This record gives sequence, C-alpha cells and structure tokens, in this order.
Amino acid sequence: NAGVTQTPKFQVLKTGQSMTLQCAQDMNHNSMYWYRQDPGMGLRLIYYSASEGTTDKGEVPNGYNVSRLNKREFSLRLESAAPSQTSVYFCATGQQIYGYTFGSGTRLTVV
Amino acid sequence: KNEVEQSPQNLTAQEGEFITINCSYSVGISALHWLQQHPGGGIVSLFMLSSGKKKHGRLIATINIQEKHSSLHITASHPRDSAVYICAVRTNTGNQFYFGTGTSLTVIP
Repeated sequence: NAGVTQTPKFQVLKTGQSMTLQCAQDMNHNSMYWYRQDPGMGLRLIYYSASEGTTDKGEVPNGYNVSRLNKREFSLRLESAAPSQTSVYFCATGQQIYGYTFGSGTRLTVV
Repeated sequence: KNEVEQSPQNLTAQEGEFITINCSYSVGISALHWLQQHPGGGIVSLFMLSSGKKKHGRLIATINIQEKHSSLHITASHPRDSAVYICAVRTNTGNQFYFGTGTSLTVIP
C-alpha cells in the first residue's frame, strides 16, 4: 500500500544518546517533512526537504539534523538527546495540489 | 502569538448532531488543510482548500479567504468521528506551515 513508513514507533533514550528516525515514502512525492507534536502546542516543523538533495530548517531545528538520502527517504537525527526532545515525531510527504500523507508517528522519551 | 487559532478546543456532541469546528489564521496562505488525528495517533489529511467549499461524505470544509477563516462541518455525527481535528495553513511566502492546536471531538452514542 502506498504511504509513509516511519520507524521506530517507540523509543526511550538516555540524555546524551543519539538516534536516527527513519522515514520512507512510496508516493513519488518531492517534498518531505519532519514535525514534532507536543501537548497544547500543535505540530511544529523541524526540517523539510523540497526535493532530493535539498533540506531546509523549519520552526524548531535546534538539536536535530536531517538527511534526504534519495527521493524516498528522509531521516531525522538526534546527535545528543535532551529531555526537551521528548515528543511525538511525525514524518509527512506531499505535493501542494494533492495534499499530504503522514506517517504513524514515533513516540520518543528522553530520560 | 498563534498564527492559527481553532475553536472550540473541546467539543462533546450527541450522535446525529451537526458539528462545526472553526479555524482562523493571521497569515497569507496558499492552502489550508484539515487533518484528523485518531486516539491511536495517526494523522489523516481530510481536505486541502484554497477557496470555496469541498465535501467528502458527511464532511464539509469551507474557506473564506477575505475573512481568513475556515470551518469544518460534520453532518449526522457518529461515535467513529471522535478524534482531534487539526487546521493547518501553508503560507504564500515560502514553505512554512502553521498548525492549530486541534479540536478534540467526542461523539456520544
């Protein structure tokens, strides 16, 4: 089935540990996005990639890095996790005229 | 300051009721999205609007560009409509997106 696949679904990290969240889409969309969702704050854009080979900062990029490995894959890396990065992370892909598809989310806890 | 404001924050309705969720925004936009997030956490895109009105089944979305306002209507509401509904806008000055904090809807049988 066409869609967005995010891994892992759950993760617990200790402060200072690193990890990479993976996202892959099979919808042949150019644009891909990483968001975080925190209670009472709505979704906030971390980074986005308008096309293969390009990435740009969103509203809350500090503490994160991204890689657009190819058209299908867009990964989000936390180099040194902090408790403030405890959140639910969503990857999304889309084309402006067609709307957007979201992954199922990654619930990350940093202790 | 929130670029996107939704109301109400929480809504409880009896099955069969007509429901309206409102979204106001303060930035120039190229498109507005309505999203649905179920208790399990998954997010589904319901509508993308740049003008007028769209209908899909029992869901209707409208937008008034001049008033910077959109509404999502649910006719003949059902318990399976219980979810958080999120309004999101894409600005017309770049690739920026802003999201409302969501409206939590509970439909009681």
